[in-house]
Amino acid sequence: GAVVSQHPSWVICKSGTSVKIECRSLDFQATTMFWYRQFPKQSLMLMATSNEGSKATYEQGVEKDKFLINHASLTLSTLTVTSAHPEDSSFYICSAREHSAGGAPVEQYFGPGTRLTVT
Amino acid sequence: GDSVTQMEGPVTLSEEAFLTINCTYTATGYPSLFWYVQYPGEGLQLLLKATKADDKGSNKGFEATYRKETTSFHLEKGSVQVSDSAVYFCALSGPLRGYGGSQGNLIFGKGTKLSVKP
Repeated sequence: GAVVSQHPSWVICKSGTSVKIECRSLDFQATTMFWYRQFPKQSLMLMATSNEGSKATYEQGVEKDKFLINHASLTLSTLTVTSAHPEDSSFYICSAREHSAGGAPVEQYFGPGTRLTVT
Repeated sequence: GDSVTQMEGPVTLSEEAFLTINCTYTATGYPSLFWYVQYPGEGLQLLLKATKADDKGSNKGFEATYRKETTSFHLEKGSVQVSDSAVYFCALSGPLRGYGGSQGNLIFGKGTKLSVKP
């Protein structure tokens, strides 16, 4: 099946610094990528949807100036957490999906996640 | 809006016991339904899916049937193993809203943690 990678798998940073997380589709072209946040013992919360070459669409309550998303190519999307604070500590998961002609739902493939800890 | 409700855990079973994790949904139109599994320390993996009413998804001994009349997609397995210990998420694909918007994004339930004891 299709593979999605994330880098780094875990990162510890100091409060006030910025952290970039990469999401790559390794064997397919992802016209759409999604970024989720998962709190302990809770479900995945969709943060934003990004289509290659256009601005990301953020879900309500997600600060777009804090969580910068770039989807510059069909195989790479990045999430940058700017001026990170301890409350941003979480598990961030990306997923990627190919474009389907006719708009029919196509399976999303998930990355393994990135554990961010802000001290 | 669209939503998924699944039974709260944790669920603790003995090996070879029968498993049911309930999942119901609310959606406009005809969503696709999914079960994802998250093993400790790993990312989500698609376990099975069903794209239309009465479809049965199955994989690794797990199965779930898309029941439109009861808006349910309950996950079942006849005999669980210790290796099935994980968190299970029920999800549906949301409505398509055009190329530039939230196009068929997944909506997840809160997850059910399953622990299987030897």
